[in-house]
Amino acid sequence: DAGVTQSPTHLIKTRGQHVTLRCSPISGHKSVSWYQQVLGQGPQFIFQYYEKEERGRGNFPDRFSARQFPNYSSELNVNALLLGDSALYLCASSPGVGTEAFFGQGTRLTVV
Amino acid sequence: QKEVEQNSGPLSVPEGAIASLNCTYSDRVSQSFFWYRQYSGKSPELIMSIYSNGDKEDGRFTAQLNKASQYVSLLIRDSQPSDSATYLCAVNEGQGFSFIFGKGTRLLVKP
Repeated sequence: DAGVTQSPTHLIKTRGQHVTLRCSPISGHKSVSWYQQVLGQGPQFIFQYYEKEERGRGNFPDRFSARQFPNYSSELNVNALLLGDSALYLCASSPGVGTEAFFGQGTRLTVV
Repeated sequence: QKEVEQNSGPLSVPEGAIASLNCTYSDRVSQSFFWYRQYSGKSPELIMSIYSNGDKEDGRFTAQLNKASQYVSLLIRDSQPSDSATYLCAVNEGQGFSFIFGKGTRLLVKP
């Protein structure tokens, strides 16, 4: 069975640009969450979507947005990139709310 | 501010020993608790989940939960060098829409 897949795996962007990260959950999972992980820290919650509706949002600026599609895949968008947005962006797939979450391989974003 | 606290380590144990990793959390309404292993440069990998007070065993791993003390731990028996990684404790937040992660404990298993 395919696990959680994220694309791209690595990305280099310039300050001020926009980026779109993509995630396909495990088949049958209806919940997708996004996390940001900077070096030396645990993942920080950005968004959760369940059944295509936003169910939770972390303490991130409005430059961050996301959506979930009818096939439960998801996109994370970040506008007006800052150097501080450089991080590993993780997508997690869950069958439901509060249940075990399985992470994709992540997207390493570098903003220069 | 809801928090999950872990000792950053490194925790160094000899091969074959028991490694004990600890985590405390601040949100009393949390109901779901998870341990993840993360190798350097990789994404977190789920090791254990625990939802009820007491112990839960899976192979060499045992998770322990004490909701009254707001404490969760992970024991790794017969530690192997391949267990060397950062171990992340995660706690569901409130209504369960997200996880709060600790900063992780780095474990080093020396041959």
